[in-house]
Amino acid sequence: QVLLVQSGTEVKKPGSSAKVTCQASGGTFNSSAISWVRQAPGQGLEWMGKIIPILGSSNYAQNFQDRVTITADKSTGTAYLEVTGLTSEDTAVYFCARGSGLVMSPYFEYWGQGTLVTVSS
Amino acid sequence: EIVLTQSPGTLSLSPGERATLSCRASQSVNYNFVAWYQQKAGQAPRLLIFDASNRATGIPDRFSASGSGTEFTLTISRLAPEDSGMYFCQQHGSSPVTFGGGTNLEL
Repeated sequence: QVLLVQSGTEVKKPGSSAKVTCQASGGTFNSSAISWVRQAPGQGLEWMGKIIPILGSSNYAQNFQDRVTITADKSTGTAYLEVTGLTSEDTAVYFCARGSGLVMSPYFEYWGQGTLVTVSS
Repeated sequence: EIVLTQSPGTLSLSPGERATLSCRASQSVNYNFVAWYQQKAGQAPRLLIFDASNRATGIPDRFSASGSGTEFTLTISRLAPEDSGMYFCQQHGSSPVTFGGGTNLEL
């Protein structure tokens, strides 16, 4: 049974950075791709990027390329999302999700519980 | 990137009725790889369907999906009260994967 457990709620000032963690258990963390998906309040889902831990390679959606870094620690089965230069528009729930199907364009069977990041002065 | 448009925005039905949700793509989806998710308030999305028509593990057969090219449909026969929530389609045939804006199903 795959379980993804994320870090807790964060409140950040504009211009600061946020780092969210996603601890995986069960399944094959290293060979699976972990994606991050954002959901602003009352809005839809937006794919931000992914990492394949065994390769250490990440790729990002165009909208997030300049401000987002996704990393992973193979030894602990943990993936990280860092977002810099936060603005109020970054206020959202951030989900990690394990990809299935095509590596470069997965669907998502397993999801973390979500982490609310609120950006407010 | 492929833009997905879902309709209707809101669907109000009664238990026992049939729901038909639509997802239209701005260009043909490779391999017809479309997934559908259900999301309830405060929860993560739950995978219902992948590869256009394959039900995920544990999903009842009341949920079915079909489609090809740019037109995809999720059908829920015999609606149950617990089926209320948001439904999102996602194309997973090309990168970047993209999601539709969602349909709110009210029972």
